[in-house]
Amino acid sequence: GAVVSQHPSWVICKSGTSVKIECRSLDFQATTMFWYRQFPKQSLMLMATSNEGSKATYEQGVEKDKFLINHASLTLSTLTVTSAHPEDSSFYICSASYFILDGISYNEQFFGPGTRLTVL
Amino acid sequence: RKEVEQDPGPFNVPEGATVAFNCTYSNSASQSFFWYRQDCRKEPKLLMSVYSSGNEDGRFTAQLNRASQYISLLIRDSKLSDSATYLCVVNNNNDMRFGAGTRLTVKP
Repeated sequence: GAVVSQHPSWVICKSGTSVKIECRSLDFQATTMFWYRQFPKQSLMLMATSNEGSKATYEQGVEKDKFLINHASLTLSTLTVTSAHPEDSSFYICSASYFILDGISYNEQFFGPGTRLTVL
Repeated sequence: RKEVEQDPGPFNVPEGATVAFNCTYSNSASQSFFWYRQDCRKEPKLLMSVYSSGNEDGRFTAQLNRASQYISLLIRDSKLSDSATYLCVVNNNNDMRFGAGTRLTVKP
């Protein structure tokens, strides 16, 4: 099955620093990757949709200059939280769409294991 | 109105019980529908897709009513391991919208 990895799985950083989270599709090429954020006891909130080779599309209320997304290849997307603050502490999850080459596509999303960010 | 609304829960049921979750969506152009399961502090995992004709996978049955913009999930003979949060997901052109989730606890 489709496997998506994230690195790191958890990170603790000081306020004001930047943190980069990697999302990789391990056994398939993902033209579209998604970044979500989840606060405790709340649902997933879509932050942005990332297409390989183009700029990410951000959801309303998500600052593109604070959450930098790069989708440089079909297997890697990165999210950089710049100048992180305690309110950015959350569970960040990426997902990837899985497409089969013969034109049949599955539009389920496969999720990475998530990255727990704690900003002190 | 939220794009995807679910029963707020929580549902606390004994082992062996049958439990049903409901979900409504607001975008009539939505194309595909899913139920995901999320365990505490873990990522969501696809439980099943939902097809117009309804589909069954073991103890799990999903139904879709496009006219009413309504999706359901039925779990029969619930197990302790079914305890999780169940997320209703609606997709329109790769724009996936998640419900807030319904928490299920199955007790011995």
